[in-house]
Parts: sequence; C-alpha cells; structure tokens
Amino acid sequence: EAEVAQSPRYKITEKSQAVAFWCDPISGHATLYWYRQILGQGPELLVQFQDESVVDDSQLPKDRFSAERLKGVDSTLKIQPAELGDSAMYLCASSLGTADTDTQYFGPGTRLTVL
Amino acid sequence: GQNIDQPTEMTATEGAIVQINCTYQTSGFNGLFWYQQHAGEAPTFLSYNVLDGLEEKGRFSSFLSRSKGYSYLLLKELQMKDSASYLCAVSASGGYNKLIFGAGTRLAVHP
Repeated sequence: EAEVAQSPRYKITEKSQAVAFWCDPISGHATLYWYRQILGQGPELLVQFQDESVVDDSQLPKDRFSAERLKGVDSTLKIQPAELGDSAMYLCASSLGTADTDTQYFGPGTRLTVL
Repeated sequence: GQNIDQPTEMTATEGAIVQINCTYQTSGFNGLFWYQQHAGEAPTFLSYNVLDGLEEKGRFSSFLSRSKGYSYLLLKELQMKDSASYLCAVSASGGYNKLIFGAGTRLAVHP
C-alpha cells in the first residue's frame, strides 16, 4: 500500500538553529499539505500545495518558515531560526486533488524538539 | 470563526460500545472526516460524511446531522487496540479541501 514518506522521524535542535523536513507524497497525488500538531491538539494546516503552487499559506509564519515543492512531487519545510515554541509534530499529508471528498493521507510525522 | 468541539477523554471497557461526539461551527461545510491517531503516530482515515445519516463500516459507524452541526463516531465490540485519539475534522468552504481539526478525543479501552 502506498504511503507518505517523511524524514527525519525525530529532530532535536537548539533555538536559533535551522531545521528542514522532507516529505514524499503518495505517487500521483497532486495536493500536498504540511500540518503542525502540538501535543494534545489537532493538526493545524501550515501550507498547502497544488502541484508546485502554494494555494494556502495563511497560517504559515513566513518570517521564519518556508516551504517548497519545486517539481510538484516531494516537498521541504524549513524553519530558520527555530524557537522554543516550534516544538511539535510536523505532519505531511497528500491527496489526489483538492475536491472536498479527496481523503488526506498522512505520513508518520517529524517530531521536533527545540532546546 | 471556526470551532470544533469534542470531549477530551473517554474510557470504555473491552467488548463494549462507545460513542464519541463532535459539534462544529464553521464558515461553510463540505464534509466531515474522522481520523484515528495512536500515540506518536500519524492520523489514519476512518470515515467521511457529507449527507445526513449513518455510514457503517465494520465495527465503526459515523453519523452526521448538518442542521445541528453534529456528528458522532460509534465504535462497537471495542478492542484494546482501539485505544487512541479520535480526531473530528471539517472540510470548510473557501479552501481547497482545507480541513479544520478538533483537538481530538483520547479513548482508553480497559479489560
């Protein structure tokens, strides 16, 4: 069964350092999402791509976060500089398209700890 | 604003039935999803409702009432492996399949 791949699974960094997360969606899925999930809360959308274009980044803290999906396949999310409050699980998801019935499938996530 | 409410925690006994409720107030509605999330793992898709009524899928069923802004997930014949968080998410209008998630309900199944 096809899965969303993410790496690394765990990342520990010091504040003010830069971190990057990678995601490879299910083959053929045009839409890719990055979510942040703080412990005890539901996932919150950071950025959404349709192919290589950003269609929603309204909740992305653009002063420190950036995301790209250059060839419309895999994607990278970067934080620079990291802050203590960025400690969370970063989840990547993909779906066939942007129809409301298109199920989003999640990867295993990257757990970030900022010291 | 967008608001999705679920109970924070629930406990149930192995073999029993449990109902997890979700109420929502969103700007538009294009469907409601339920996901299961085991501790430290990714959410996995359980069900999708867009029309009023009950959708049954094995031991799990999901109900939706659009007029009441209400859904529930029904889990039958509970097993220990059902201990997990259950996330209610609404696909709100104005976004490209943008999901708004509730905080999740942590279910503990005990023998």
